[in-house]
Amino acid sequence: SQQGEEDPQALSIQEGENATMNCSYKTSINNLQWYRQNSGRGLVHLILIRSNEREKHSGRLRVTLDTSKKSSSLLITASRAADTASYFCATQDPGDMRFGAGTRLTVKP
Amino acid sequence: EAQVTQNPRYLITVTGKKLTVTCSQNMNHEYMSWYRQDPGLGLRQIYYSMNVEVTDKGDVPEGYKVSRKEKRNFPLILESPSPNQTSLYFCASSLEIGDRLHFGNGTRLTVT
Repeated sequence: SQQGEEDPQALSIQEGENATMNCSYKTSINNLQWYRQNSGRGLVHLILIRSNEREKHSGRLRVTLDTSKKSSSLLITASRAADTASYFCATQDPGDMRFGAGTRLTVKP
Repeated sequence: EAQVTQNPRYLITVTGKKLTVTCSQNMNHEYMSWYRQDPGLGLRQIYYSMNVEVTDKGDVPEGYKVSRKEKRNFPLILESPSPNQTSLYFCASSLEIGDRLHFGNGTRLTVT
């Protein structure tokens, strides 16, 4: 069964706008990770946030984690057409990594 | 270059004909995993391995086998493929469980 659930399923914005994606999960976690996938390609790791962290930044990416609500958000600021991709959150269950179904982001030039 | 290599990239086969998808990593990673990706379902884990000779079932292991005889290789075996195994498959590895995963480029399998 899936651990993470991303919301929304799809998001369409104009270049320059910010994009926010959310992830909810069910059980306690050690960390939560975000990945990006360009159409049909392998996933690429974006950022990892540990359960004792609340916020993390990497370039134009900002990730927050609220363990009390079992949720995380990924913010992409000043989006570009090249950010068009699917974004997945992943959490570590004991023994394995589980992914949600993803958010499909389209950034229009 | 650090990478996870999957082969083949594309494979079309017929029901019942045994096949193997290879996966190799050159980063000395302990953890390796296989996922399948289907539209609307995201990535579902098939099998994973914490180390050599240690493998465990993921969420959808039926119809698949794996082995981990060497640290670098983690082949996925379909003994008798069926059309419902048509999917996009990804191999991934990480230094250990919970670390960032490195993905291969995927294998698109079609079973007719």
